[in-house]
Amino acid sequence: QVQLVESGGGVVQPGRSTRLSCVASGFPFSSYIMHWVRQSPGTGLEWVAVISSDESYKHYADSVKGRFTISRDNSKNTLYLQMNSLRVEDTAVYYCARVSSIGTMAYYYGMDVWGQGTTVTVSS
Amino acid sequence: DIQMTQSPSSLSASIGDRVTITCRASQSINSYLNWYQQRPGKAPKLLIQAASSLQSGVPSRFSGSGSGTDFTLTISSLQPEDFAIYYCQQTYNTPRSTFGQGTKVEIK
Repeated sequence: QVQLVESGGGVVQPGRSTRLSCVASGFPFSSYIMHWVRQSPGTGLEWVAVISSDESYKHYADSVKGRFTISRDNSKNTLYLQMNSLRVEDTAVYYCARVSSIGTMAYYYGMDVWGQGTTVTVSS
Repeated sequence: DIQMTQSPSSLSASIGDRVTITCRASQSINSYLNWYQQRPGKAPKLLIQAASSLQSGVPSRFSGSGSGTDFTLTISSLQPEDFAIYYCQQTYNTPRSTFGQGTKVEIK
């Protein structure tokens, strides 16, 4: 069964750090480009970060650049999002998601497998 | 960044109705346009890729069309399970993907 399971959410004070994890199963994780997408309460979807299958390429939304770091451990089938210098506006449900194809053109494809989401609340 | 604008923001429809949602890009994105469905409390689900390619397992009452800047998602006969929020997403400016603001489909 193809599945992504996030963890690591919770309540964090502004300025502090936390790390999200996303464990993949049921597919060759090391072959796929992976994304983080977030959704603030009552609002739409915001793309956060992307990482290539071999971790050689990473890219971030302007809103998180310099504060968040995406990484992966293909030996553990796990995707990470290190979140530093957290702000109240980072409060959201964070989803990890898989691109629906493999290869260099896969960046143009949609996200066909999503985790259930993990909630990060930044509050004092 | 490329801006994606959906219309309407919400709509009310009855079971069996034909529903059309529009997504407009701030510049041409060729056919790099995807559609997602999100039910309350759930993760988004990919419905259509590349403007018109239906994902495996998605009912054929869903269809997508368009290219350039204007795109459409159509539900030919609305079913109870279709009441949800629908988002478009451009991947032309990859990796700087952007989503539309969403269209909420409610029961009339």
